[in-house]
This record gives sequence, structure tokens and C-alpha cells, in this order.
Amino acid sequence: NAGVMQNPRHLVRRRGQEARLRCSPMKGHSHVYWYRQLPEEGLKFMVYLQKENIIDESGMPKERFSAEFPKEGPSILRIQQVVRGDSAAYFCASSQTGGSNQPQHFGDGTRLSIL
Amino acid sequence: AQKVTQAQTEISVVEKEDVTLDCVYETRDTTYYLFWYKQPPSGELVFLIRRNSFDEQNEISGRYSWNFQKSTSSFNFTITASQVVDSAVYFCALSEASSSNTGKLIFGQGTTLQVKP
Repeated sequence: NAGVMQNPRHLVRRRGQEARLRCSPMKGHSHVYWYRQLPEEGLKFMVYLQKENIIDESGMPKERFSAEFPKEGPSILRIQQVVRGDSAAYFCASSQTGGSNQPQHFGDGTRLSIL
Repeated sequence: AQKVTQAQTEISVVEKEDVTLDCVYETRDTTYYLFWYKQPPSGELVFLIRRNSFDEQNEISGRYSWNFQKSTSSFNFTITASQVVDSAVYFCALSEASSSNTGKLIFGQGTTLQVKP
């Protein structure tokens, strides 16, 4: 399966712990986007990365959230000191060249639950 | 400001009925792209279609068709002869080709379609 791979599919954390969400883009894609879907809501853009660079992080909360896309390995979305309000589905998407005309292909998402 | 509105929160139809999902967008860009995605109960997001702002031709793909009307800033999606497998949440999205051209998608709230047998 050469699609976008996200893991874990489900993640449970207690308040104050750290959550790490991983995303491997489609083969040949070097542009990654992260979106968050709160319950009963649409998806909201968080951050756009190209290999080793953050291009647009205008949707990222100012504190506790960070993202990276290293030269080797998957993209990581990291949430420190999680709170109940972080409970959501987090989707990763990849595209071949980035830009607004490129369709983004999504992974199955990671459902994060905070106890 | 950019915005996508899907006014229909939930729609319920009986199998074989036709159904239209509405999408209205706002943007100041003259060049932009519109998308539809499907999110079935299993939760993944499936890409359905992309349209650019210069192409107002309607598109048909099997039972699916899309009507893009720039004059009313709408990009509506019709499913003909609906089937139970069409039950899902459908999202309309906008991407602006502004100077930054990052490609980030602005999503509507989604329309939940339930097709009953």
C-alpha cells in the first residue's frame, strides 16, 4: 500500500503527557500537511512542511504543539502536556509538489483521546 | 477572508433518490481551487474532485456530478441514484493560489449524508 501512512490509529494519553503522531507520506511526495478535526467539526489546517523545513505554521497553536519532517523518516506532530481540548482526529496529507493546485492525499488519521 | 460554507448539516434520503450537497465559498483570489472529499464511517478521507477557478465546465463521473457556478460562488455536488454505500460525511474545500501558494485547504463543516435502504 503506497498511500499516506499514519500511526498510531488511536492514541490515549493522560493530561500532562506527551503525544507523538507519525506520518509517512506517499512514495515520491515530499510535502506534508497536518490538519485537526475536532468532534462534529470540519478539518482545520495546522502546518505545512517540506523536507526539513516548516513552510507555513499559521494554524498551529502557539504553545505545546510542534512539527517536524526530517530528511529521513516520517513527519512528527508533537503535543506536549496534553489537555482535554486536544482530543481530536489528526490527519496528515501529502502532495507531490505542494501548491494550491495539487490534490492532497490523506492518511486514515490518528484519533487522540485525553483522559 | 476565505471561507467555505456547507449549510446542510445532515441529509437523509432513501436509496435511489438523487441528492445535492451545497457548497458556497468566499475568496478574494482570482485563482483558486475547489475540492470535494468523502469521509466514510471508517474515518479516512477520500479525494473526489479538484476544480480550478478558470474551468466552469460541469463534470460527471459515474453517478457523481459537480456544478461550479462562479457567479454564485458555489460548487455543488450531486449524487444520482444514491446507494447505501454513499453514506458518509462530505467536505468541500478551497485552496487559494495567493502569493504564498502553500496549498493549505480551507474546509467547510461537512454534510452528513445518510442513505437508507
